[in-house]
This record gives sequence, C-alpha cells and structure tokens, in this order.
Amino acid sequence: ILNVEQSPQSLHVQEGDSTNFTCSFPSSNFYALHWYRWETAKSPEALFVMTLNGDEKKKGRISATLNTKEGYSYLYIKGSQPEDSATYLCAFSSNTGKLIFGQGTTLQVKP
Amino acid sequence: NAGVMQNPRHLVRRRGQEARLRCSPMKGHSHVYWYRQLPEEGLKFMVYLQKENIIDESGMPKERFSAEFPKEGPSILRIQQVVRGDSAAYFCASSPSHLDEKLFFGSGTQLSVL
Repeated sequence: ILNVEQSPQSLHVQEGDSTNFTCSFPSSNFYALHWYRWETAKSPEALFVMTLNGDEKKKGRISATLNTKEGYSYLYIKGSQPEDSATYLCAFSSNTGKLIFGQGTTLQVKP
Repeated sequence: NAGVMQNPRHLVRRRGQEARLRCSPMKGHSHVYWYRQLPEEGLKFMVYLQKENIIDESGMPKERFSAEFPKEGPSILRIQQVVRGDSAAYFCASSPSHLDEKLFFGSGTQLSVL
C-alpha cells in the first residue's frame, strides 16, 4: 500500500514568518515527487517535480528538497505573505505511473 | 492553449441514475488521471489512462465505475446507479507524458446525489 504522509495538517503563521512542511513517502520504487499548491475555489497548480536524490528546486520564495533514500521532502516558504495561504500537496510517483497524493498541509498566513 | 476542461461543473443525480463526467485534456497531452475528493479528505487516486488504454485503475471501485479515454474525444468517467456516497468532487488532470511531468488540473465536477 502506497502511503504519502504530510505534516503538519495545518499551520497558522504571521506575515513575514518563514515556514516549512514535510512530506514522507515510500523509499522503494521511487520515480518522482511532486508539490502542488491548491487555493480555495481553484484547481491544484504544480510547484515542483523532483526526481533525483538531493534535488533542490526554487521558485521565488518557495523552495523544496528531496531525500529519496529516507523517503522525505521538505517545502520551505521564506517570508510568508497572505497570498501564500493555500493547501500544499505533495504526490509520490512510482515507476508504474500512478501519482498518489498526501492529505496536504493547509497554511494560513495572518497579515 | 486551453487548459484542462471538465464538464459539467455541477451535476445533480438521483439515486440509481447514471453520471457521466467529461474531461478534455490540454492539447498535446495523452495522459489523463481521475481523482475523487470526498468532503474533508484529500485527492484519492481513481484511474490513470493513456489514449485508448487503462494503465492503472486500482483506485476505482470494481462495480458501477468505469473510465475511458478514446482515440478521439474527451475522457469519460462513468458512474452507474449512483448512490449518496458517490457525492464528491471529481478532478481530472492531464500531462504530456508520465512519471516526471507535472499534472495540469481541471476545475472539477461536483457530483451531488439526491
């Protein structure tokens, strides 16, 4: 059974705080790890796709790291802004092509 | 280049009726995924299709649910004899290839079973 776990489930921070979330996934048959951002009343949008152990990706104030050997990825947001408020989803892909999502971390940034 | 189009946005069915949900992937995308989101839950994988082929349907209930992605036309998720427990948001996503390409999501179809 493929299990993707995200923590924390929810997070409330003040504007300007930096924060990070964790995604745990099976370390066997790994192919890719995805991060998506899902704003209320919208569709999930891709942030990063990572495939190599040690990968680091960055997009503006958001960055992500990947450790495939121990089965975890971190998403970092530097200097959180109210517009960063959303649910952040990670998804694990094995070599079969199926993409399994975690439950998400819901971030609320207070002005 | 239009995004992933799902229709209808909202679908109301009575118990026992059939629900047909449509998904047109982005132009050039040959891989389609269907996910279900139940209230207070995340995205649950249902089925992964390529043109004319079902690659993985391990997330789909064995009865009443079926999916197709024909050579021409949209992907269809079909639910026969709907029950109240089928009420959920159904999201479709597409990608140009598989595994290491990001998914593009549609806006979802909200199915309500009365």
